[in-house]
Amino acid sequence: QVQLKETGPDLVQLTQTLSITCTVSGFSLTTYNVHWVRQPPGKGLEWMGAMWNGGGTDYNSAFKSRLSISRDTSKSQVFLKMNSLQTDDTAKYFCARGTQPEYFDYWGQGVMVTVSS
Amino acid sequence: DTVLTQSPALAVSPGERVTISCRASESVSTLMHWYQQKPGQQPTLLIYLASNLESGVPARFSGSGSGTDFTLTIDPVEADDTATYYCQQSWNDPPTFGGGTKLELK
Repeated sequence: QVQLKETGPDLVQLTQTLSITCTVSGFSLTTYNVHWVRQPPGKGLEWMGAMWNGGGTDYNSAFKSRLSISRDTSKSQVFLKMNSLQTDDTAKYFCARGTQPEYFDYWGQGVMVTVSS
Repeated sequence: DTVLTQSPALAVSPGERVTISCRASESVSTLMHWYQQKPGQQPTLLIYLASNLESGVPARFSGSGSGTDFTLTIDPVEADDTATYYCQQSWNDPPTFGGGTKLELK
């Protein structure tokens, strides 16, 4: 069955870099897109970016040049890296499978990341 | 970016019919999708492409709309439907979500 699982730190220091891995199973990264979505505590959902099945990426301009998404298809993993973390980056970070025309039909459980000063 | 506007909260009694609205700041054709999120959990897909019921989702849920105005209907509402509901558009880049509608049962 389709599964996505995020792994990453629960605490990151201010101005440091966040790295999260999304490991997928039950589908191929060369067939489906994988997206990153975050949710600050008590707030709504924010799309961050995507790894397309063809290997390209797309980013929300709100994150400017702070965000990088990559993948390792041999390990069925998609990676999120975001630098210069601030306290308002405290959020739960989800990866989700995208099905054309890009609705999110499977989600990971998310990883809660706190940015600490 | 396309802004999606939802009412913040609704309260209904079990057995009633409830409609949750989502208005887009510009047309999104029918590329509107709906999710349910319960506290502490990830969102789950309910409706895709405005009116298509995701596999495994009860037929009590339905969606309608096109252009800028969309509706998610639950009929009848059950106690387990207590959750926050989000709309999401994928017509314009970047994909955006509504602020969510928190559904409470009386």
